[in-house]
Amino acid sequence: KAGVTQTPRYLIKTRGQQVTLSCSPISGHRSVSWYQQTPGQGLQFLFEYFSETQRNKGNFPGRFSGRQFSNSRSEMNVSTLELGDSALYLCASSPQRERADTQYFGPGTRLTVL
Amino acid sequence: DQQVKQNSPSLSVQEGRISILNCDYTNSMFDYFLWYKKYPAEGPTFLISISSIKDKNEDGRFTVFLNKSAKHLSLHIVPSQPGDSAVYFCAARSYNYGQNFVFGPGTRLSVLP
Repeated sequence: KAGVTQTPRYLIKTRGQQVTLSCSPISGHRSVSWYQQTPGQGLQFLFEYFSETQRNKGNFPGRFSGRQFSNSRSEMNVSTLELGDSALYLCASSPQRERADTQYFGPGTRLTVL
Repeated sequence: DQQVKQNSPSLSVQEGRISILNCDYTNSMFDYFLWYKKYPAEGPTFLISISSIKDKNEDGRFTVFLNKSAKHLSLHIVPSQPGDSAVYFCAARSYNYGQNFVFGPGTRLSVLP
């Protein structure tokens, strides 16, 4: 099975712009979660989608949004970019939303905001 | 307030010896725990998990121990190999409360040849 894929891998934007990141989960996986990783902060949870519905949301401003399509692919959008949004954005998929589910991560999209 | 803590930012171990990575949590509702390994420029890779109904789980060179009363878990790697050098993240969730995983800040392990 192919793993989780994320596009693009690298992105450079300027303050005030918006950006859309894409994630294709492992085939058959229905849950997709997004995380932000910055140095020293570990992975901060952004949101989770399951069957096209947002099930959980982390403590991020409304500039961060996402959606999931019927084929389970997901997109994440950040509007009005700020310098502090520079980070590695990771997508993870899991089969269902069951107790013992394991999340499998993609390679991430490195976003740099200038 | 960090619910999952990894108090050692880094750890150095000699090849062949045991590596012990520690993780503490504050939320007693957490019922499932995972360890991930992350190399630079890659996403985290799942290593091993443990449910709150167990106190130990083994997979090859990796063993995770859970002490619920102390809200502490540890990952043991025996024997350590240079390829184990990476950042290790501990993650926890409370399934019954519909939470997603909460990750610790990570510990950088260096295995010296």
